[in-house]
Amino acid sequence: GIQVEQSPPDLILQEGANSTLRCNFSDSVNNLQWFHQNPWGQLINLFYIPSGTKQNGRLSATTVATERYSLLYISSSQTTDSGVYFCAVGAGGATNKLIFGTGTLLAVQP
Amino acid sequence: DAGVIQSPRHEVTEMGQEVTLRCKPISGHNSLFWYRQTMMRGLELLIYFNNNVPIDDSGMPEDRFSAKMPNASFSTLKIQPSEPRDSAVYFCASSGRGRVGEQYFGPGTRLTVT
Repeated sequence: GIQVEQSPPDLILQEGANSTLRCNFSDSVNNLQWFHQNPWGQLINLFYIPSGTKQNGRLSATTVATERYSLLYISSSQTTDSGVYFCAVGAGGATNKLIFGTGTLLAVQP
Repeated sequence: DAGVIQSPRHEVTEMGQEVTLRCKPISGHNSLFWYRQTMMRGLELLIYFNNNVPIDDSGMPEDRFSAKMPNASFSTLKIQPSEPRDSAVYFCASSGRGRVGEQYFGPGTRLTVT
Protein backbone atom coordinates (compact mmCIF):
# COMPACT_ATOMS: atom_id res chain seq x y z
CA GLY A 1 0.00 0.00 0.00
CA ILE A 2 0.87 3.67 -0.24
CA GLN A 3 3.29 4.95 2.39
CA VAL A 4 3.04 8.52 3.68
CA GLU A 5 5.91 10.14 5.53
CA GLN A 6 5.87 13.55 7.15
CA SER A 7 8.73 15.68 8.34
CA PRO A 8 9.77 17.04 10.69
CA PRO A 9 8.01 14.98 13.39
CA ASP A 10 7.93 18.00 15.67
CA LEU A 11 8.74 21.67 15.48
CA ILE A 12 8.95 24.55 17.92
CA LEU A 13 8.64 28.10 16.61
CA GLN A 14 8.59 31.57 18.00
CA GLU A 15 5.52 33.57 17.12
CA GLY A 16 6.03 35.34 13.80
CA ALA A 17 8.37 32.75 12.33
CA ASN A 18 7.77 30.87 9.09
CA SER A 19 7.86 27.11 8.61
CA THR A 20 7.64 24.43 5.95
CA LEU A 21 6.17 20.99 6.57
CA ARG A 22 6.77 18.17 4.12
CA CYS A 23 4.78 15.12 3.06
CA ASN A 24 6.27 12.38 0.89
CA PHE A 25 4.17 9.61 -0.60
CA SER A 26 5.21 6.42 -2.30
CA ASP A 27 2.82 6.22 -5.27
CA SER A 28 0.68 8.40 -7.50
CA VAL A 29 -2.45 9.71 -5.80
CA ASN A 30 -5.74 11.25 -6.84
CA ASN A 31 -6.38 12.97 -3.54
CA LEU A 32 -4.20 14.77 -1.03
CA GLN A 33 -5.44 16.67 1.97
CA TRP A 34 -3.78 18.66 4.74
CA PHE A 35 -5.48 18.74 8.12
CA HIS A 36 -4.80 20.64 11.32
CA GLN A 37 -5.68 18.93 14.58
CA ASN A 38 -5.96 21.70 17.13
CA PRO A 39 -5.22 21.29 20.85
CA TRP A 40 -8.93 20.53 21.44
CA GLY A 41 -8.67 17.54 19.11
CA GLN A 42 -10.69 18.83 16.18
CA LEU A 43 -9.50 17.84 12.71
CA ILE A 44 -9.83 20.85 10.44
CA ASN A 45 -9.52 20.72 6.66
CA LEU A 46 -6.80 23.03 5.43
CA PHE A 47 -6.31 22.10 1.79
CA TYR A 48 -7.50 19.65 -0.80
CA ILE A 49 -4.49 19.65 -3.12
CA PRO A 50 -3.72 16.60 -5.28
CA SER A 51 -1.59 18.89 -7.46
CA GLY A 52 -0.64 22.53 -7.87
CA THR A 53 -0.51 25.38 -5.39
CA LYS A 54 -3.17 26.94 -3.19
CA GLN A 55 -3.15 29.72 -0.65
CA ASN A 56 -5.45 30.56 2.22
CA GLY A 57 -4.34 33.52 4.27
CA ARG A 58 -1.05 32.81 5.99
CA LEU A 59 -1.10 29.19 4.84
CA SER A 60 -0.23 27.85 1.44
CA ALA A 61 0.39 24.39 0.02
CA THR A 62 2.11 22.97 -3.02
CA THR A 63 1.90 19.42 -4.33
CA VAL A 64 4.30 18.16 -6.97
CA ALA A 65 2.51 14.99 -7.95
CA THR A 66 5.19 13.80 -10.38
CA GLU A 67 7.78 13.89 -7.61
CA ARG A 68 5.39 12.56 -4.96
CA TYR A 69 5.60 15.24 -2.34
CA SER A 70 3.60 18.08 -0.88
CA LEU A 71 4.64 21.09 1.18
CA LEU A 72 2.64 23.14 3.66
CA TYR A 73 3.90 26.65 4.34
CA ILE A 74 2.95 28.57 7.45
CA SER A 75 3.97 32.21 7.46
CA SER A 76 3.99 34.62 10.39
CA SER A 77 3.01 31.82 12.75
CA GLN A 78 0.64 32.47 15.64
CA THR A 79 0.05 30.54 18.84
CA THR A 80 -3.28 29.39 17.41
CA ASP A 81 -1.35 27.49 14.73
CA SER A 82 -0.16 25.03 17.37
CA GLY A 83 -1.29 21.44 17.03
CA VAL A 84 -0.65 18.49 14.78
CA TYR A 85 -0.60 18.78 10.99
CA PHE A 86 -1.56 15.68 9.06
CA CYS A 87 -1.10 14.90 5.42
CA ALA A 88 -3.43 12.26 3.99
CA VAL A 89 -3.53 10.75 0.53
CA GLY A 90 -6.14 8.77 -1.31
CA ALA A 91 -5.52 5.03 -1.38
CA GLY A 92 -6.46 4.95 -5.05
CA GLY A 93 -8.56 2.63 -7.14
CA ALA A 94 -12.28 2.55 -6.44
CA THR A 95 -11.81 3.28 -2.77
CA ASN A 96 -12.25 6.63 -1.07
CA LYS A 97 -9.96 5.63 1.78
CA LEU A 98 -7.33 8.07 3.04
CA ILE A 99 -3.88 7.03 4.18
CA PHE A 100 -2.63 9.33 6.93
CA GLY A 101 0.92 10.30 7.73
CA THR A 102 2.08 10.30 11.34
CA GLY A 103 1.84 14.07 11.56
CA THR A 104 4.01 17.04 12.49
CA LEU A 105 3.55 18.37 16.01
CA LEU A 106 3.90 22.16 15.93
CA ALA A 107 4.24 24.34 19.00
CA VAL A 108 4.25 28.11 18.50
CA GLN A 109 5.54 29.99 21.52
CA PRO A 110 4.58 33.60 22.28
CA ASP B 1 -24.01 23.47 6.51
CA ALA B 2 -23.85 21.91 9.98
CA GLY B 3 -20.88 19.70 9.20
CA VAL B 4 -20.52 16.16 10.48
CA ILE B 5 -22.32 15.71 13.79
CA GLN B 6 -21.28 13.16 16.40
CA SER B 7 -22.80 12.24 19.72
CA PRO B 8 -22.06 11.95 22.49
CA ARG B 9 -18.96 14.15 22.66
CA HIS B 10 -17.73 12.36 25.77
CA GLU B 11 -18.60 8.94 27.12
CA VAL B 12 -17.37 7.31 30.30
CA THR B 13 -18.44 3.76 30.91
CA GLU B 14 -17.45 0.70 32.86
CA MET B 15 -15.82 -2.34 31.38
CA GLY B 16 -18.39 -4.77 30.03
CA GLN B 17 -21.00 -2.17 29.18
CA GLU B 18 -22.36 -1.55 25.70
CA VAL B 19 -21.36 1.71 24.04
CA THR B 20 -23.09 3.26 21.03
CA LEU B 21 -21.57 6.16 19.14
CA ARG B 22 -23.63 8.10 16.63
CA CYS B 23 -22.85 10.05 13.49
CA LYS B 24 -24.80 12.24 11.08
CA PRO B 25 -22.82 12.90 7.88
CA ILE B 26 -22.96 16.09 5.85
CA SER B 27 -26.18 16.20 3.85
CA GLY B 28 -25.64 14.88 0.33
CA HIS B 29 -22.44 13.01 1.13
CA ASN B 30 -22.49 9.37 0.09
CA SER B 31 -19.43 7.97 1.91
CA LEU B 32 -19.00 7.65 5.66
CA PHE B 33 -15.91 6.64 7.60
CA TRP B 34 -15.31 5.65 11.22
CA TYR B 35 -11.81 6.23 12.65
CA ARG B 36 -10.19 5.64 16.01
CA GLN B 37 -7.32 7.75 17.34
CA THR B 38 -4.95 6.78 20.14
CA MET B 39 -1.51 7.98 21.12
CA MET B 40 -0.02 4.58 20.42
CA ARG B 41 -1.61 3.82 17.04
CA GLY B 42 -2.49 7.23 15.65
CA LEU B 43 -5.51 7.50 13.34
CA GLU B 44 -6.91 4.14 12.25
CA LEU B 45 -9.71 3.60 9.77
CA LEU B 46 -12.18 1.14 11.26
CA ILE B 47 -14.85 0.87 8.57
CA TYR B 48 -16.31 2.83 5.72
CA PHE B 49 -19.63 2.88 3.93
CA ASN B 50 -20.51 3.90 0.41
CA ASN B 51 -24.18 4.59 -0.32
CA ASN B 52 -25.05 3.06 3.09
CA VAL B 53 -23.28 -0.23 2.24
CA PRO B 54 -20.20 -1.33 4.24
CA ILE B 55 -17.30 -1.49 1.79
CA ASP B 56 -14.28 -2.21 3.94
CA ASP B 57 -14.40 -3.30 7.57
CA SER B 58 -10.88 -4.69 7.70
CA GLY B 59 -9.94 -2.16 10.37
CA MET B 60 -12.59 -3.26 12.85
CA PRO B 61 -10.52 -4.68 15.70
CA GLU B 62 -12.70 -7.64 16.65
CA ASP B 63 -16.22 -8.95 16.86
CA ARG B 64 -17.00 -6.69 19.78
CA PHE B 65 -17.19 -3.83 17.29
CA SER B 66 -20.06 -3.40 14.86
CA ALA B 67 -21.24 -0.55 12.66
CA LYS B 68 -24.46 0.15 10.82
CA MET B 69 -25.76 2.75 8.43
CA PRO B 70 -29.53 2.31 8.17
CA ASN B 71 -29.95 5.40 5.99
CA ALA B 72 -27.94 8.14 4.32
CA SER B 73 -28.12 10.46 7.32
CA PHE B 74 -27.24 8.23 10.25
CA SER B 75 -24.63 5.71 11.33
CA THR B 76 -23.75 3.98 14.58
CA LEU B 77 -20.63 2.33 15.92
CA LYS B 78 -21.30 -0.11 18.72
CA ILE B 79 -18.88 -1.75 21.13
CA GLN B 80 -20.22 -4.67 23.14
CA PRO B 81 -18.77 -5.50 25.61
CA SER B 82 -16.43 -2.54 26.05
CA GLU B 83 -12.90 -2.94 27.43
CA PRO B 84 -10.41 -0.41 28.84
CA ARG B 85 -8.23 -0.77 25.71
CA ASP B 86 -11.12 0.64 23.67
CA SER B 87 -10.53 4.03 25.28
CA ALA B 88 -9.80 6.44 22.44
CA VAL B 89 -11.25 9.27 20.40
CA TYR B 90 -13.61 8.00 17.72
CA PHE B 91 -14.09 10.17 14.66
CA CYS B 92 -16.67 10.01 11.95
CA ALA B 93 -15.98 11.56 8.55
CA SER B 94 -17.96 11.90 5.35
CA SER B 95 -17.22 12.64 1.72
CA GLY B 96 -19.36 13.48 -1.26
CA ARG B 97 -19.43 13.15 -5.00
CA GLY B 98 -17.51 16.37 -5.53
CA ARG B 99 -13.76 16.47 -5.22
CA VAL B 100 -12.35 12.94 -5.27
CA GLY B 101 -12.40 11.49 -1.78
CA GLU B 102 -12.28 14.79 0.11
CA GLN B 103 -13.22 13.96 3.68
CA TYR B 104 -14.67 16.15 6.42
CA PHE B 105 -14.39 15.11 10.05
CA GLY B 106 -16.76 15.39 12.94
CA PRO B 107 -15.66 16.66 16.35
CA GLY B 108 -15.10 13.14 17.68
CA THR B 109 -16.32 11.18 20.69
CA ARG B 110 -13.86 10.74 23.53
CA LEU B 111 -14.52 7.32 25.03
CA THR B 112 -13.15 6.28 28.40
CA VAL B 113 -13.72 2.72 29.58
CA THR B 114 -12.83 2.16 33.24
